Amino acid sequence: ETGVTQTPRHLVMGMTNKKSLKCEQHLGHNAMYWYKQSAKKPLELMFVYSLEERVENNSVPSRFSPECPNSSHLFLHLHTLQPEDSALYLCASSQDPAGLSSYNEQFFGPGTRLTVL
Amino acid sequence: AQSVTQLGSHVSVSEGALVLLRCNYSSSVPPYLFWYVQYPNQGLQLLLKYTSAATLVKGINGFEAEFKKSETSFHLTKPSAHMSDAAEYFCAVRRSGAGSYQLTFGKGTKLSVIP
Repeated sequence: ETGVTQTPRHLVMGMTNKKSLKCEQHLGHNAMYWYKQSAKKPLELMFVYSLEERVENNSVPSRFSPECPNSSHLFLHLHTLQPEDSALYLCASSQDPAGLSSYNEQFFGPGTRLTVL
Repeated sequence: AQSVTQLGSHVSVSEGALVLLRCNYSSSVPPYLFWYVQYPNQGLQLLLKYTSAATLVKGINGFEAEFKKSETSFHLTKPSAHMSDAAEYFCAVRRSGAGSYQLTFGKGTKLSVIP
């Protein structure tokens, strides 16, 4: 595997289900991100982890719970979601953990298309 | 706080014609600027980035963008459109400085290429 991978690619869940999204980066990066991409809205940054420590949490509802067990893996645990949470969830990674470098470009995975019924 | 405005949610060009996708930004400090492309059912791929080294930035697939501070613009161009350029394009800004992880994205411009 190369780059950033995400599983599953598609997920349909009911409002009472609990599921998890998985992201793995094979780039040796130190920072990982979760984004939400909804139709007709800009990409929204949800969480940032740097060296496995959460450094940003952009007012995301508690029904979304991130986990970063090591610098290569990132999870997004989902529970009691709402239909408006249906979206494409994108994971990304970047090299620089301090966000200092001008070359701290983010590499994205293909996303998980989530549908909440 | 920084923000990005992309003019035109949908742009259509003929194959072989000039591609021009517009991006204007606002930022209180010198920004880093990016263009990403997203093909259907895929994640975002970096096309090019501006990091103050040069105002004209060349990217992949024949795209380039020019940073114009006086106009707070970072428009994306390609001299001759190809069918494979049909995709959605996102302009993004990140402030410079420590701890500046957050990319602020525009709403995107969907490019259609007509044969």
